[in-house]
Amino acid sequence: AQKITQTQPGMFVQEKEAVTLDCTYDTSDPSYGLFWYKQPSSGEMIFLIYQGSYDQQNATEGRYSLNFQKARKSANLVISASQLGDSAMYFCAMREAYNQGGKLIFGQGTELSVKP
Amino acid sequence: DAGVIQSPRHEVTEMGQEVTLRCKPISGHNSLFWYRQTMMRGLELLIYFNNNVPIDDSGMPEDRFSAKMPNASFSTLKIQPSEPRDSAVYFCASSSGTGAAGGGDEQFFGPGTRLTVL
Repeated sequence: AQKITQTQPGMFVQEKEAVTLDCTYDTSDPSYGLFWYKQPSSGEMIFLIYQGSYDQQNATEGRYSLNFQKARKSANLVISASQLGDSAMYFCAMREAYNQGGKLIFGQGTELSVKP
Repeated sequence: DAGVIQSPRHEVTEMGQEVTLRCKPISGHNSLFWYRQTMMRGLELLIYFNNNVPIDDSGMPEDRFSAKMPNASFSTLKIQPSEPRDSAVYFCASSSGTGAAGGGDEQFFGPGTRLTVL
């Protein structure tokens, strides 16, 4: 079974609009962390935002916010005021507490294209 | 500050040759991870080390792959003999925490090594 599911292979958004990238996860571990990474065409992986399973509030980092719905096991990334430089692949990842050392499991990614 | 350093950035080799990928983690980080990225399989963890000790190598495809971390500032991933299906981008990442309790210590990725096996 997929531990991390990103159902949107590709998304388009108009510049300056907000966009939501979906991510659902599957774990029986009560303690886990959820991460989003950005991979532009140049290939590097850039950390964006983190949400812990016990965090009471949704994480925010600048224009990025994480819509964490624990009961639904979803951790959607919201990008506000999209910019052309946001065009990239976006990966959702999970770390379960029992994985000592911090192994990350990645989803298949969503390719976001921002249109001018 | 220097990030994770990987070398070479690109490697083209012929089937059957030995390939060695190198990684220098961020100074002070005690966890190191090797990932492989392909179109078909996405990003998958091959092996990770904590305090230079291999913790989980269940992602290593087969015996042709081996990884070492002789000290806190250097790791290698070796493929011998290489095959065309090993063609991929190989990332090294490091983090400062143990990841216990699903902690938020993020992994910092290197630029990757693009390997092509002909």
